[in-house]
Amino acid sequence: AQKVTQTQTSISVMEKTTVTMDCVYETQDSSYFLFWYKQTASGEIVFLIRQDSYKKENATVGHYSLNFQKPKSSIGLIITATQIEDSAVYFCAMREGGASGSWQLIFGSGTQLTVMP
Amino acid sequence: GGIITQTPKFLIGQEGQKLTLKCQQNFNHDTMYWYRQDSGKGLRLIYYSITENDLQKGDLSEGYDASREKKSSFSLTVTSAQKNEMAVFLCASRPDWGGNYAEQFFGPGTRLTVL
Repeated sequence: AQKVTQTQTSISVMEKTTVTMDCVYETQDSSYFLFWYKQTASGEIVFLIRQDSYKKENATVGHYSLNFQKPKSSIGLIITATQIEDSAVYFCAMREGGASGSWQLIFGSGTQLTVMP
Repeated sequence: GGIITQTPKFLIGQEGQKLTLKCQQNFNHDTMYWYRQDSGKGLRLIYYSITENDLQKGDLSEGYDASREKKSSFSLTVTSAQKNEMAVFLCASRPDWGGNYAEQFFGPGTRLTVL
């Protein structure tokens, strides 16, 4: 069965530093997609970045990047030069297998990031 | 661009009451989802729909019904509200074309309180 685990409940960092959030996953599928979403204090959830399992290069979008370690079933999110507005809950998610039009996302429990001035 | 709207934003009901949450999207996406988020927890899938009039159960479907009468709208009904299901209900949709086909877009949520 598919499972996504985020063991860090909360992290606090100083502004302008780099933070890494951990995520490990379990899947029997040979092809899968991994995602990170951000949920702000208002409750809004936005997509940040995605990693396709067949790609060896780590995805990068703006000041977000991923550390994809396939043998360890691990997909860490790295935020460089953190800003106060990065404070939020970050969710890791994995696409479950199935027909292209009927797939599901499995979410981790989230990591609360607090960026301090 | 597009938007997902959820109504109402806050829903208060009595235990045992039947309650309906509504979701509209103007992305023209085929697939829509309902998730439940308990306080401090991740998202769990209740129902999803890959097209008009299609319904697929998620892991948390017991106690809920869903309806997809139009492509743009997806409703969720709590059949008999219970105090232990006070949570935020999130609607999402996803495109079925192009390079972004795997990404989901989320609505702002409906917060349910059961008295």
